[in-house]
Amino acid sequence: NAGVTQTPKFRILKIGQSMTLQCTQDMNHNYMYWYRQDPGMGLKLIYYSVGAGITDKGEVPNGYNVSRSTTEDFPLRLELAAPSQTSVYFCASSLTVAGNSPLHFGNGTRLTVT
Amino acid sequence: GENVEQHPSTLSVQEGDSAVIKCTYSDSASNYFPWYKQELGKGPQLIIDIRSNVGEKKDQRIAVTLNKTAKHFSLHITETQPEDSAVYFCAAPGSYQLTFGKGTKLSVIP
Repeated sequence: NAGVTQTPKFRILKIGQSMTLQCTQDMNHNYMYWYRQDPGMGLKLIYYSVGAGITDKGEVPNGYNVSRSTTEDFPLRLELAAPSQTSVYFCASSLTVAGNSPLHFGNGTRLTVT
Repeated sequence: GENVEQHPSTLSVQEGDSAVIKCTYSDSASNYFPWYKQELGKGPQLIIDIRSNVGEKKDQRIAVTLNKTAKHFSLHITETQPEDSAVYFCAAPGSYQLTFGKGTKLSVIP
């Protein structure tokens, strides 16, 4: 099993550009998550999904959008990129709710907005 | 919502010594406490977790203890090795699925 796969690994965007961060998992997990990690700030939840067709906001959703059309894929869309969105983004999945089962993380996408 | 405080933010130990990282949480209803290890350039990886019906759990050189009364839990690493150098995160169930501590950067000095 590949686990959770994220692409791209690195990306530089200009202010105002848009992009989609891709995430796919092959563990048949219903729960999927997007986190951002800023230095010294831990991991903040952006959006999460409890199954195909169902998404919900996390702690820091502004400036992002998600969709979940299949169990495997959970892309994160950035519209009108801003410098404040410079961060490392992690996708994760879990078998049941994160507050009760382990999270499986991808290796991240490092995004710089200039 | 849940508030998770993690200390220290950085920790340096000599190879072979023990390392202890502590976390406190605010929601007394929390019942699942995982620890994640993040190596440079990688995503966090679960190393050990504990549920509220257990006071201690061990896995080789790693142990986690939980004090529900005081609402804190700790990660203990014995006989540290250079490959233990990483950032460690604690977490507890919160308003947004899981609330993470801000992390502890552990450096093991050979």
